[in-house]
Amino acid sequence: GAVVSQHPSWVICKSGTSVKIECRSLDFQATTMFWYRQFPKQSLMLMATSNEGSKATYEQGVEKDKFLINHASLTLSTLTVTSAHPEDSSFYICSARRGHRSSYEQYFGPGTRLTVT
Amino acid sequence: KNEVEQSPQNLTAQEGEFITINCSYSVGISALHWLQQHPGGGIVSLFMLSSGKKKHGRLIATINIQEKHSSLHITASHPRDSAVYICAVRGSQGNLIFGKGTKLSVKP
Repeated sequence: GAVVSQHPSWVICKSGTSVKIECRSLDFQATTMFWYRQFPKQSLMLMATSNEGSKATYEQGVEKDKFLINHASLTLSTLTVTSAHPEDSSFYICSARRGHRSSYEQYFGPGTRLTVT
Repeated sequence: KNEVEQSPQNLTAQEGEFITINCSYSVGISALHWLQQHPGGGIVSLFMLSSGKKKHGRLIATINIQEKHSSLHITASHPRDSAVYICAVRGSQGNLIFGKGTKLSVKP
């Protein structure tokens, strides 16, 4: 099946620093990529949707200046958490969509656990 | 009320038991996903279905569009099936709406 990778799998950073998380679709070109956040014992919450070459669409309540998303190619999207704070500590999951609106598959990355100290 | 409700929230079973996890939703959907989240957090997509029934190994997923209900069944459960199982529905805009998950623990 299709594979989506994330790097790093876990990261610890100090408050005020920035962290970049990469999401790659390894064996297919992703028409759309999604970034989710999951707090302990909570559902996945969509943060933003990005299409290659265009600006990401952020969900209500998600600060676009804090969570920078770059979708530079059909196989790579990055999420940068700028000026991280302890409340940003969470599990970040990306997902890549293959195919088109009427018929597509969505594949999930393994996630990145961010801890801000 | 959540748009996607799963039951039970927690489930403990003995190895070999037949397991059923239920998902009910209240919105119009174009498809429904069953996902498996391992203890480390990684997510695997098990099924995507919009009607009827799908089977993969010991896993079976069914959906009843009229009743807005789906079930995930695991036959001959095994400790390695222990995970959180998440139901997610694809709304009319293509977005996914997630249930809170069902934590399954299979004891040897």
